[in-house]
Amino acid sequence: GQQVMQIPQYQHVQEGEDFTTYCNSSTTLSNIQWYKQRPGGHPVFLIQLVKSGEVKKQKRLTFQFGEAKKNSSLHITATQTTDVGTYFCAGGNRGSQGNLIFGKGTKLSVKP
Amino acid sequence: NAGVTQTPKFRVLKTGQSMTLLCAQDMNHEYMYWYRQDPGMGLRLIHYSVGEGTTAKGEVPDGYNVSRLKKQNFLLGLESAAPSQTSVYFCAGRRGLAGVDTQYFGPGTRLTVL
Repeated sequence: GQQVMQIPQYQHVQEGEDFTTYCNSSTTLSNIQWYKQRPGGHPVFLIQLVKSGEVKKQKRLTFQFGEAKKNSSLHITATQTTDVGTYFCAGGNRGSQGNLIFGKGTKLSVKP
Repeated sequence: NAGVTQTPKFRVLKTGQSMTLLCAQDMNHEYMYWYRQDPGMGLRLIHYSVGEGTTAKGEVPDGYNVSRLKKQNFLLGLESAAPSQTSVYFCAGRRGLAGVDTQYFGPGTRLTVL
């Protein structure tokens, strides 16, 4: 079945350093969504990418969708302690009734 | 608007006991989902519903049953709990509209089966 791989599993950074997490799908996706889960919390939607090669920015966060629509990345510039949490990518397919396949997530810790 | 709510927040069961987790939403979601989250495993889909009165199996449905008698509610049942079902359970809903179609998650239920 379809798989969505996400790396790295953990990332420890010093505050102010950059952070990137990568997502790869075994199949071509119709869209990819990114979610953030704070420690002890629930996943919260960040963004959706739909177009091949799409790049979207939210302040210090940059999201990319690959040209082949099989990979994606989230880059955080100059991390802050408020960025701590687990970041999940989730791939959607047209034939899946809108269901998402979640990656296992990247857990980010930020040392002040 | 309460959004997506889940009850209970925490529960401890003994092996073999049964329980029902309730998910309620007031966001007019057509689609609803039950996920489980285990350390290092991400979110795995248990069952989902594409509308009132419908349910379907997800990736890990064994040992669980669901019902969606009303659009607002999606129930997850464990008939005979096993230690392997110790997990955090999240309910989510989405409207099912074209365009950006976010899944909104509830706060989760932390279940321990002894």
